[in-house]
Amino acid sequence: EVQLVESGGGLLKPGGSLRLSCAASGFPFDNAWMSWVRQAPGKGLEWVGRIKSKADSGTTDYAAPVKGRFTISRDDSKHTLYLQMNSLKTEDTAVYYCTTLYPTSSSSAYYGYWGQGTLVTVSS
Amino acid sequence: SYVLTQPPSVSVAPGTTATITCGGNNIGGKSVHWYQQKPGQAPVLVIYYDSGRPSGIPDRFSGSNSGNTATLTISRVEAGDEADYYCQVWDSNSDHVVFGGGTKLTVL
Repeated sequence: EVQLVESGGGLLKPGGSLRLSCAASGFPFDNAWMSWVRQAPGKGLEWVGRIKSKADSGTTDYAAPVKGRFTISRDDSKHTLYLQMNSLKTEDTAVYYCTTLYPTSSSSAYYGYWGQGTLVTVSS
Repeated sequence: SYVLTQPPSVSVAPGTTATITCGGNNIGGKSVHWYQQKPGQAPVLVIYYDSGRPSGIPDRFSGSNSGNTATLTISRVEAGDEADYYCQVWDSNSDHVVFGGGTKLTVL
């Protein structure tokens, strides 16, 4: 059974930093393209970014609002995905979901599995 | 950047058909995926690659995509279908994933 479990959310002040983790199991994590998607309170889904598998270059891409502030990384040995968030703003307040393009490795594919999400609140 | 436009809300009576649209420039040339999200829960894939249906999703859910509009159709709507629905595509120009703004389906 595929499982994605996020952790690391919390309350912090503008300008702060936070690292989210996503523990994956039930599928070949090292071959999977992984993404973060967020949802501000009462708002829609917003793509944050993606990391490809190392076999497919391991490159990352980010949405414009977070580019230069957020970094996605992965530790295949620990089956864990990370989201390092720096210079946080109040508008980054959201539930952050970990999701995967597994079983495909294609940019145009769908997100078949999602974690339960972790809440990040940025407030002074 | 590529924009997907969904109606904010759709309301239907139980047993009728709900149609949720997703508009985008030449969206018919892209692969569209649809997600259902109930309050407090993570999104669930209901349609992939325009019209594919994941295992466990009732055949009351169907999808189509042509021209500038993709459509999610829910037949014989049930109270349990009440949720937010999002369309999603990949924009090849930016290499970014794009979600529509979401449509709240209300079952009267």
